[in-house]
Amino acid sequence: GAVVSQHPSRVICKSGTSVKIECRSLDFQATTMFWYRQFPKQSLMLMATSNEGSKATYEQGVEKDKFLINHASLTLSTLTVTSAHPEDSSFYICSARRDGPNEQFFGPGTRLTVL
Amino acid sequence: GENVEQHPSTLSVQEGDSAVIKCTYSDSASNYFPWYKQELGKGPQLIIDIRSNVGEKKDQRIAVTLNKTAKHFSLHITETQPEDSAVYFCASRKNAGNMLTFGGGTRLMVKP
Repeated sequence: GAVVSQHPSRVICKSGTSVKIECRSLDFQATTMFWYRQFPKQSLMLMATSNEGSKATYEQGVEKDKFLINHASLTLSTLTVTSAHPEDSSFYICSARRDGPNEQFFGPGTRLTVL
Repeated sequence: GENVEQHPSTLSVQEGDSAVIKCTYSDSASNYFPWYKQELGKGPQLIIDIRSNVGEKKDQRIAVTLNKTAKHFSLHITETQPEDSAVYFCASRKNAGNMLTFGGGTRLMVKP
């Protein structure tokens, strides 16, 4: 149990296009989901916290208009990188917190490359 | 806010030896401490966690110890195997509604 899926696993896009990444908790409900960004050989950097049915809370320095987050159900959150540029290239990882025990589980990540 | 420091940043051990990774945290109100294993190109995987009402927890070859007074916790891997090679992250959290604060990670290499 406690599986979090993420799609796509890898995406290459042209500069200026938008990219949507989906995160699903497959076998549990997640009122709260998180989006992280990870650069090579570094720790995870929290971008935003999303709660089902409400607006996401963004960390300082993260542009909410560039990284659109939607958490429409207890099992699905999406991150849309709008007008992507090469500096947005990174490894994006979502995480879902299981209600009750409150353990946090991570998706497999999405490698975004913007040309 | 909370600050978590993790040591060492890299650790190389011979297969069969034990590996120990240590983390310290700053906020005495933190009460949940998970450990994650991240393999290359994958997301972190929760391998063990401990809550502040216990001092030690074990799951087969891995164990975690917590010293609340000193505000540090450690991951112990015994009888290491090459497949244990990965980056390990510790984290802490103050209460159920808060976010995790991560350590900087430890790259563990187990040499066959």
